[in-house]
Amino acid sequence: GDSVTQMEGPVTLSEEAFLTINCTYTATGYPSLFWYVQYPGEGLQLLLKATKADDKGSNKGFEATYRKETTSFHLEKGSVQVSDSAVYFCALLTGGFKTIFGAGTRLFVKA
Amino acid sequence: DTAVSQTPKYLVTQMGNDKSIKCEQNLGHDTMYWYKQDSKKFLKIMFSYNNKELIINETVPNRFSPKSPDKAHLNLHINSLELGDSAVYFCASSQDQGGDTEAFFGQGTRLTVV
Repeated sequence: GDSVTQMEGPVTLSEEAFLTINCTYTATGYPSLFWYVQYPGEGLQLLLKATKADDKGSNKGFEATYRKETTSFHLEKGSVQVSDSAVYFCALLTGGFKTIFGAGTRLFVKA
Repeated sequence: DTAVSQTPKYLVTQMGNDKSIKCEQNLGHDTMYWYKQDSKKFLKIMFSYNNKELIINETVPNRFSPKSPDKAHLNLHINSLELGDSAVYFCASSQDQGGDTEAFFGQGTRLTVV
């Protein structure tokens, strides 16, 4: 079945460091890919998305490129801030009703 | 205005009790979901309803019964609560079934069974 694998956390960085959170997927069709973010005590909210191969999603300085050849959708940010501390979820959606989430990666950013 | 709202935010109850969590969305979406998030933050879908009809039931114990009185509401009733039911439960909604549709999440209900 369809699945998402993302790097285990926690990831701890200093402010202004470069961030990469790896995400790979397995899907039978042509999924749309998402990154969601969950701040402490809150629900998930969409960070960015890409709907087809080679699309780049971007928001708030975060970027991810849909790579069909490597079935990957890695999240990157050039300079993280303390306010980016959260749990990040990679997810995919195929033609059905079900968004499948990765296990989540907790990010801590130190001042 | 809150897009997806669920109540209560916190719920502490004893084993064996029956409890309900309510969810409402004011986005006009056709599809609603319940997800369970465990202590390690792993997020797993439980149910999905489209236009009040059950579409997905992911091997959830039948002690869990979703009810959708209309497409703006999806409530979750849990019978005979067990310690292992302790988790954060998220309601979500989306516009339709496919394409690039993002899901909008509620704030979550933290259920603690003692």
